[in-house]
Amino acid sequence: EVVLTQSPEFQSVTPKEKVTITCRASQSIGNSLHWFQQKPDQSPKLLINYGSQSISGVPSRFSGSGSGTVFTLTINSLEAEDAATYYCHQTSSLPFTFGGGTKVEIK
Amino acid sequence: EVQMVDSGGGLVQPGRSLRLSCRASGYSFGGHAVSWFRQAPGKGLEWVGFIRSKGYGATTEYAASVKGRFMMSRDDSKNIAYLQMDGLKSEDTAVYFCTRIWNMVPDSWGQGTRVTVSS
Repeated sequence: EVVLTQSPEFQSVTPKEKVTITCRASQSIGNSLHWFQQKPDQSPKLLINYGSQSISGVPSRFSGSGSGTVFTLTINSLEAEDAATYYCHQTSSLPFTFGGGTKVEIK
Repeated sequence: EVQMVDSGGGLVQPGRSLRLSCRASGYSFGGHAVSWFRQAPGKGLEWVGFIRSKGYGATTEYAASVKGRFMMSRDDSKNIAYLQMDGLKSEDTAVYFCTRIWNMVPDSWGQGTRVTVSS
């Protein structure tokens, strides 16, 4: 099973600051890594797929990078509405797995 | 617009069964896999399994934690996917989400349906 380790687990950030979340895989997963945003009492929303591919309708301040075992989600110029928990998810091999999540709080 | 609507959750006693439904609209349902995920109270996301399209035999894959107890099916004539859950345990308590699978990615999620397993 591919274990995904996210860091940090929690981040308190001021608006307009840059946020970087890292997801490390226990083995190479190519680029089969996707990022989701989940706000309280809502279902997850796809932000980035296949490591760096942007999704229609997602603000351009969200970007992804990486391949193999290390991936990064970057939020440029954080906005108040970005307060949420962010998850990475791999679909390279079964069972599909998620990282533990990174909670982003707005100061 | 793609929409996935989950339903069927509720309170059920340990050992009993429950069937969840996922009604899809806004796309060609029969041409895509459907996946199920869950989220226990205050916890992260967990993949439960998926069912491929009929074109791929409507075959299924399951997480080890539910294999042998849960079964997925689909009715393409109604645009509905099902998750039959038997032998429920307290650790199955969670909000369950269905999703469309597009190019192996769960891109559109239902609103979730809550399942509580308790005596």
